[in-house]
Amino acid sequence: KNQVEQSPQSLIILEGKNCTLQCNYTVSPFSNLRWYKQDTGRGPVSLTIMTFSENTKSNGRYTATLDADTKQSSLHITASQLSDSASYICVVSEGGGADGLTFGKGTHLIIQP
Amino acid sequence: NAGVTQTPKFRILKIGQSMTLQCTQDMNHNYMYWYRQDPGMGLKLIYYSVGAGITDKGEVPNGYNVSRSTTEDFPLRLELAAPSQTSVYFCAAHPRGNTGELFFGEGSRLTVL
Repeated sequence: KNQVEQSPQSLIILEGKNCTLQCNYTVSPFSNLRWYKQDTGRGPVSLTIMTFSENTKSNGRYTATLDADTKQSSLHITASQLSDSASYICVVSEGGGADGLTFGKGTHLIIQP
Repeated sequence: NAGVTQTPKFRILKIGQSMTLQCTQDMNHNYMYWYRQDPGMGLKLIYYSVGAGITDKGEVPNGYNVSRSTTEDFPLRLELAAPSQTSVYFCAAHPRGNTGELFFGEGSRLTVL
């Protein structure tokens, strides 16, 4: 069964600090991996989409890495801000039909002033 | 552009009642999805559609029905509401297959008492 595991489940850091969120997956075949940010009470918003050939992708202070060999991805947040407080969801696509997305449970990140 | 719009945002139902969650998109995307998100869990696919007139079951379709008469609209029908259907429901759309960006609505929070 395809699975996406995220760690840690929750994380609290001080404003201005960096942090890294992890995503391990067993999805096969692999098409792409996405990171989403979900603010409380809102819908998820895309941060990055990475294909098999991409190792690193940045979106402002967010940098995602992908190791397709070990089936691992990370999301690094630099110089965190209070607005970064949210859940971060890793989603892996099988590359098959329209239903081929597997969602992780997310990492709940809290930035403290 | 409004993107993906869901109504209502909040609803309380009694056991056995029925209702329809509305979803409309103005991006002319072919693929549309309904997910439910339970506390501490990843998003689960209920139903999806690859175009007008075509719908398919996802991972958790029991107790729900959908229709797709136009590209823009993808309503989700709950028949005989049960407490297990208490959840936050998200509608999403993307342009093609599973490589395009997935756009989510803001969610509909449903409570069944």
